[in-house]
Amino acid sequence: SQELEQSPQSLIVQEGKNLTINCTSSKTLYGLYWYKQKYGEGLIFLMMLQKGGEEKSHEKITAKLDEKKQQSSLHITASQPSHAGIYLCGADPRGVSASGSARQLTFGSGTQLTVLP
Amino acid sequence: NAGVTQTPKFQVLKTGQSMTLQCAQDMNHNSMYWYRQDPGMGLRLIYYSASEGTTDKGEVPNGYNVSRLNKREFSLRLESAAPSQTSVYFCASSEGLGPLTYEQYFGPGTRLTVT
Repeated sequence: SQELEQSPQSLIVQEGKNLTINCTSSKTLYGLYWYKQKYGEGLIFLMMLQKGGEEKSHEKITAKLDEKKQQSSLHITASQPSHAGIYLCGADPRGVSASGSARQLTFGSGTQLTVLP
Repeated sequence: NAGVTQTPKFQVLKTGQSMTLQCAQDMNHNSMYWYRQDPGMGLRLIYYSASEGTTDKGEVPNGYNVSRLNKREFSLRLESAAPSQTSVYFCASSEGLGPLTYEQYFGPGTRLTVT
């Protein structure tokens, strides 16, 4: 089975600092998803990466999927208190082209981000 | 457009009691999912329904049953609750009609405590 390991498990940064969260897979990644969760709430989709070398950005958050497709990183530039929360990566070990319309996602255990004002 | 809604938000059960967690989505999505989230273990898939009328086991199905009542609703039932089922339960849905439509939308969660 595919396992996703996130690092670090927790991160405390001063407002304005840059930070990076990593997600490493035990198998080749097909379709890596990044989500954000605020305490007591559901998950909010951030972005999906499909191809090795792909990079996507939304506001101050950039995610990359490395060429070998076994690791993804999430980078936040000039962090703000609104970025605080738990960041989770998820992947479907069967691949995006697998039959069936449902995605059986495996998730990492999450990275808890605290941004100090 | 409410997205994915779950009821109840909080529940306390005694060991052996039964209950059903309700989930509904108003996005006309084909696929629906139930996850549980435990500290240090991320989210684990309990059951999913690729389309109306079908359900399949996920990673941790033991002790649970599901019903895809119609395209909108997907319920999770605990027949005889155990303390190990204390967790936060999330329902999610996705369109699932093409390779790039697999983004899953999550509900706010149900916090369940079994004593």
